[in-house]
Amino acid sequence: EDQVTQSPEALRLQEGESSSLNCSYTVSGLRGLFWYRQDPGKGPEFLFTLYSAGEEKEKERLKATLTKKESFLHITAPKPEDSATYLCAVFTSGTYKYIFGTGTRLKVLA
Amino acid sequence: DGGITQSPKYLFRKEGQNVTLSCEQNLNHDAMYWYRQDPGQGLRLIYYSQIVNDFQKGDIAEGYSVSREKKESFPLTVTSAQKNPTAFYLCATSGLRAGFGETQYFGPGTRLLVL
Repeated sequence: EDQVTQSPEALRLQEGESSSLNCSYTVSGLRGLFWYRQDPGKGPEFLFTLYSAGEEKEKERLKATLTKKESFLHITAPKPEDSATYLCAVFTSGTYKYIFGTGTRLKVLA
Repeated sequence: DGGITQSPKYLFRKEGQNVTLSCEQNLNHDAMYWYRQDPGQGLRLIYYSQIVNDFQKGDIAEGYSVSREKKESFPLTVTSAQKNPTAFYLCATSGLRAGFGETQYFGPGTRLLVL
């Protein structure tokens, strides 16, 4: 069964304390991995799309990487405004659907 | 101003009532999707459409209905058959590419509450 697991469920960081969020997947043929940021009461905001193992993308303090089994969202020197829930989703050739993880709730303390 | 609009932001449903959530896009995307978000769960697909006048059931279609009469619009009706409709509803759009998932873009969401 296609599955996406995000860890940790929740993470508290001090401002400036770098860390990584994990998205591991077991799917029958990855055809795209997507990272989103979601603020409370709002729709998810697109961050990155990755298609191939070894691919990396960066945007400000965020960097997404992809291997054959998982993806990491690295947050360098986070600020309080980075506090949000980060969602991971995959598109598989098995079902041709998007499968979402349950997210990581990030809180960055000033 | 390109984007996806959903209305209303909040919707209250009475027992036995059907309600309709609106989703409009001007991104010229072919595919449109409806998801339901509940606390502690990942987004779950209700319905999706890749072309006008055609749509497919997702994983939790029971108690919901949709139409796709225009490329720009994909309204979702929550019927009285949906016994637990309280949730945050998200509309998304994407382009289409054979064999691959294109990036989905999401609207601001509609929160449905039962009176």
